[in-house]
Amino acid sequence: GEDVEQSLFLSVREGDSSVINCTYTDSSSTYLYWYKQEPGAGLQLLTYIFSNMDMKQDQRLTVLLNKKDKHLSLRIADTQTGDSAIYFCAESTDSSASKIIFGSGTRLSIRP
Amino acid sequence: SAVISQKPSRDICQRGTSLTIQCQVDSQVTMMFWYRQQPGQSLTLIATANQGSEATYESGFVIDKFPISRPNLTFSTLTVSNMSPEDSSIYLCSVEDSSLAGGNYYGYTFGSGTRLTVV
Repeated sequence: GEDVEQSLFLSVREGDSSVINCTYTDSSSTYLYWYKQEPGAGLQLLTYIFSNMDMKQDQRLTVLLNKKDKHLSLRIADTQTGDSAIYFCAESTDSSASKIIFGSGTRLSIRP
Repeated sequence: SAVISQKPSRDICQRGTSLTIQCQVDSQVTMMFWYRQQPGQSLTLIATANQGSEATYESGFVIDKFPISRPNLTFSTLTVSNMSPEDSSIYLCSVEDSSLAGGNYYGYTFGSGTRLTVV
């Protein structure tokens, strides 16, 4: 079945870049998402990418998609303390509303 | 994007009781989704709720345990019935949100979640 995998933890120094990686198994994935969950809060859509794109940049965020390897990454430039959160990779396989498959989430911690 | 109001934000309940969680959206949406996030885990879809029809449940979830109502296009409830400590989780509602981008993109907006503790 569909599966989305991420490493559980990442620690970076403030001001450095963070790179969060994700792999997925479903080759028919159409949309890939990055969601952010701060402590005690719901999920916030950070960015998304269509499966026919290789890269998407949005201010400090860069998403890279390697469709051949089914690998997605999120790069956060100049990481700040406010970026501390759990980051979920997710995918859906249809252009109409369908369920999203979430990864386990990567907890990003920032050290001074 | 759509604004979702989810209530209650948290609750502590006795085992054997039931809790109804409400999700109100500021715009009409066709599909609403209910997710569970167990402690330290990712999100798992419980069911999809369409207005005017019975909810569609994912494997492992049943209507008797998680009855859902969807009386109109802006509102839904999820009830967690006959609770046990294993039901302690965060429950989130979600809607498809075409305002996140134009065209055929279907994004999803989430409520802030209900943190349930069963004692």
